[in-house]
Amino acid sequence: DQQVKQNSPSLSVQEGRISILNCDYTNSMFDYFLWYKKYPAEGPTFLISISSIKDKNEDGRFTVFLNKSAKHLSLHIVPSQPGDSAVYFCAARYQGGKLIFGQGTELSVKP
Amino acid sequence: GAVVSQHPSRVICKSGTSVKIECRSLDFQATTMFWYRQFPKQSLMLMATSNEGSKATYEQGVEKDKFLINHASLTLSTLTVTSAHPEDSSFYICSARDLGEGGNQPQHFGDGTRLSIL
Repeated sequence: DQQVKQNSPSLSVQEGRISILNCDYTNSMFDYFLWYKKYPAEGPTFLISISSIKDKNEDGRFTVFLNKSAKHLSLHIVPSQPGDSAVYFCAARYQGGKLIFGQGTELSVKP
Repeated sequence: GAVVSQHPSRVICKSGTSVKIECRSLDFQATTMFWYRQFPKQSLMLMATSNEGSKATYEQGVEKDKFLINHASLTLSTLTVTSAHPEDSSFYICSARDLGEGGNQPQHFGDGTRLSIL
């Protein structure tokens, strides 16, 4: 039973445009949501997070939106750069810090 | 920022060997560390929570006798894959959270260990 889902395994975007990565969850007890970026053979790198009591958090080119009623969150990257190409994981936090990860979306930003 | 170091980065060994992986928090203390496993093209799956000075707590379906966890200090947790077999081949990643900066700090991850059992 996948509690955190990223339904798009891949996304291709032109440089300078907006990248939108989506994530759905099923458990309303999650209290925090995070986005991580990952390159092959490396550990995930933290990007941005949002508390379940907020609906938006922005950090530079990255903005995360949370829609609790729809149990949906998204990561917006604008403008997208070729260096953003990586696998992006959505994660939800529960039970004292444990994270459940989505399957990941591979973003490719083309020059 | 917070740095987590994981060692070794890659291990290739024969079936039946036990393999130890170390996870260190380099610039902060971590009473809790987490161990994940990732199969190719799949998500990171939490295996266990490592607690300093006490027993680890394992997720459902993870064999505690197979994956031994020791968290002997505030900066070091080890995962030992005992009597490893080819099906244990995977990418193992640890993480830690700097609780000294408040409860909502994110987990920081090591660079992972690629374990290949022949």
